Amino acid sequence: GEDVEQSLFLSVREGDSSVINCTYTDSSSTYLYWYKQEPGAGLQLLTYILSNMDMKQDQRLTVLLNKKDKHLSLRIADTQTGDSAIYFCAAPEVYGAGSYQLTFGKGTKLSVIP
Amino acid sequence: NAGVTQTPKFQVLKTGQSMTLQCAQDMNHEYMSWYRQDPGMGLRLIHYSVGAGITDQGEVPNGYNVSRSTTEDFPLRLLSAAPSQTSVYFCASHGVGEDPYEQYFGPGTRLTVT
Repeated sequence: GEDVEQSLFLSVREGDSSVINCTYTDSSSTYLYWYKQEPGAGLQLLTYILSNMDMKQDQRLTVLLNKKDKHLSLRIADTQTGDSAIYFCAAPEVYGAGSYQLTFGKGTKLSVIP
Repeated sequence: NAGVTQTPKFQVLKTGQSMTLQCAQDMNHEYMSWYRQDPGMGLRLIHYSVGAGITDQGEVPNGYNVSRSTTEDFPLRLLSAAPSQTSVYFCASHGVGEDPYEQYFGPGTRLTVT
């Protein structure tokens, strides 16, 4: 099955860029995802990238995908204290006929220092 | 839409007690899942369901039971609580054939077993 790995902690200063990295094993994933979990809350979809794309930009967020190395990254520009959260990388295991189950990494806890 | 709702938000149990964590969704999603989240372990899948009347085990099913009598509801039962089941529990749902795939999470139930 799919295996998703990411580092557990990242600490950055307010205003700097944050880069969260992830590796995955199943190259057949159609999409790759980043979910955000704010303190005391459930996970919410932050952004995603199609597997045939190298990069996707969405305001302060940039997702980079290196399919050859099976490496995904999330860059947050001008990081704010409100970005402090746990970020999960996720890849789907597709069973066919549109059915799937997401496999999540362990999550990277981003701490933003004012 | 209320999305995915979970009750209760917090619960304290004594070892050996039983209880049911409730989960409901109003998006007519076929798939529903239960995860537990522990520090440094990420999200681990307990049980999931691909439709009413159909359930299957995930990565860590021992000590938990589920049933799915309706599309909307997917309760998780702890038959005899143990301290190792102290965790935060998340229910999630998603549809079949969506593009892109997105899993919707409830706000979580924080369970402490003493």
